[in-house]
Amino acid sequence: ETGVTQTPRHLVMGMTNKKSLKCEQHLGHNAMYWYKQSAKKPLELMFVYNFKEQTENNSVPSRFSPECPNSSHLFLHLHTLQPEDSALYLCASSPVIATVEETQYFGPGTRLLVL
Amino acid sequence: GQQVMQIPQYQHVQEGEDFTTYCNSSTTLSNIQWYKQRPGGHPVFLIQLVKSGEVKKQKRLTFQFGEAKKNSSLHITATQTTDVGTYFCAGRGGSNYKLTFGKGTLLTVNP
Repeated sequence: ETGVTQTPRHLVMGMTNKKSLKCEQHLGHNAMYWYKQSAKKPLELMFVYNFKEQTENNSVPSRFSPECPNSSHLFLHLHTLQPEDSALYLCASSPVIATVEETQYFGPGTRLLVL
Repeated sequence: GQQVMQIPQYQHVQEGEDFTTYCNSSTTLSNIQWYKQRPGGHPVFLIQLVKSGEVKKQKRLTFQFGEAKKNSSLHITATQTTDVGTYFCAGRGGSNYKLTFGKGTLLTVNP
């Protein structure tokens, strides 16, 4: 499946580093999402963008900074992360938002390890 | 806020046995979706249920949406090793209409 791509697939960073995760969708969708998936926890929705505008920020710490330059691209800028931020970060897109037609298409994820 | 509970958390079966996972919401849902995540993979959309009492089938998988639209189930008949993975439900409802995922049920199948 190549509808939603994410880079890098794996990332190891120190707590003082700055890095960015990239997501691109080739499905013509208007909504994009960042999720965090940790072991033994449900998928945690972090941010939602609809037509490039942020519509949800679920109390995410400011060390995570999203950017959506257009409907096809989504970034997650990381700085001064903590070890507990180590997780799989999943990007998703959907045709529309907050309707019964909101089916989410996930990317392969970036597995992040913070040392 | 809205909560979506899913049970069991883990299920191990012998190949050929049936499997069921249940999803319960604290609020009435407008729709519920099911996803499957293979080990090392990402969630993949399986199906969406919208109507009260709706039942949908995909080969050996049967999905149900409760009459009160607060619960749902996924039943797999005669499991195969290819069914291994974590099955998530995700319900939309509540005052803010958010899509909330359950914790998932990890299914392992012994050949």
